[in-house]
Amino acid sequence: KQEVTQIPAALSVPEGENLVLNCSFTDSAIYNLQWFRQDPGKGLTSLLLIQSSQREQTSGRLNASLDKSSGRSTLYIAASQPGDSATYLCAVQDTGRRALTFGSGTRLQVQP
Amino acid sequence: DAGVIQSPRHEVTEMGQEVTLRCKPISGHNSLFWYRQTMMRGLELLIYFNNNVPIDDSGMPEDRFSAKMPNASFSTLKIQPSEPRDSAVYFCASSSARPRSGLAGGSTDTQYFGPGTRLTVL
Repeated sequence: KQEVTQIPAALSVPEGENLVLNCSFTDSAIYNLQWFRQDPGKGLTSLLLIQSSQREQTSGRLNASLDKSSGRSTLYIAASQPGDSATYLCAVQDTGRRALTFGSGTRLQVQP
Repeated sequence: DAGVIQSPRHEVTEMGQEVTLRCKPISGHNSLFWYRQTMMRGLELLIYFNNNVPIDDSGMPEDRFSAKMPNASFSTLKIQPSEPRDSAVYFCASSSARPRSGLAGGSTDTQYFGPGTRLTVL
């Protein structure tokens, strides 16, 4: 059974810092990995999707990498802003299964 | 597009009552997912449909839970009777499944989530 772990569970940084969120998964037989953002009391917003054949994806100040063989992904946020404060969730789609398996998330606070 | 629509946004009910959650997926999407989020267990899949047919209901906790998708634009998740441990946020998500070339089954499409229904069972 796939298990997804996110480290750290919470992170507080001053505005302007570059930061890295980590995600690991136990079964490397995945189709893709997604990073989501969740604001308090809100739904999930997809940030980046990396297919299993890809190594990274970029969107604006966000860069996500994938090392399938080692079961790891990182989300890099450049020049963090208070508006980046949210919970970031990592999720994998396993081979042969449409549903996503989620990590428990990293709660990020960017202080102005 | 309005995105995935869920109703109600909040529901407070008493133990033993029937609860029905509703979801309207994004138009044109052929896959619909129901997830539940709790502090203890995080986000977990309950069931998903492809072309209105239930494909994987392994996450449905027990017989008290049932889900239907009578057409491509509507799905319900029903809990009868409800219990306090059912209190959670229930999310609906949809995606447009496209076969991944060269592989049997599966797809690589993004899932789009609704705002969720916060259920409290007293």
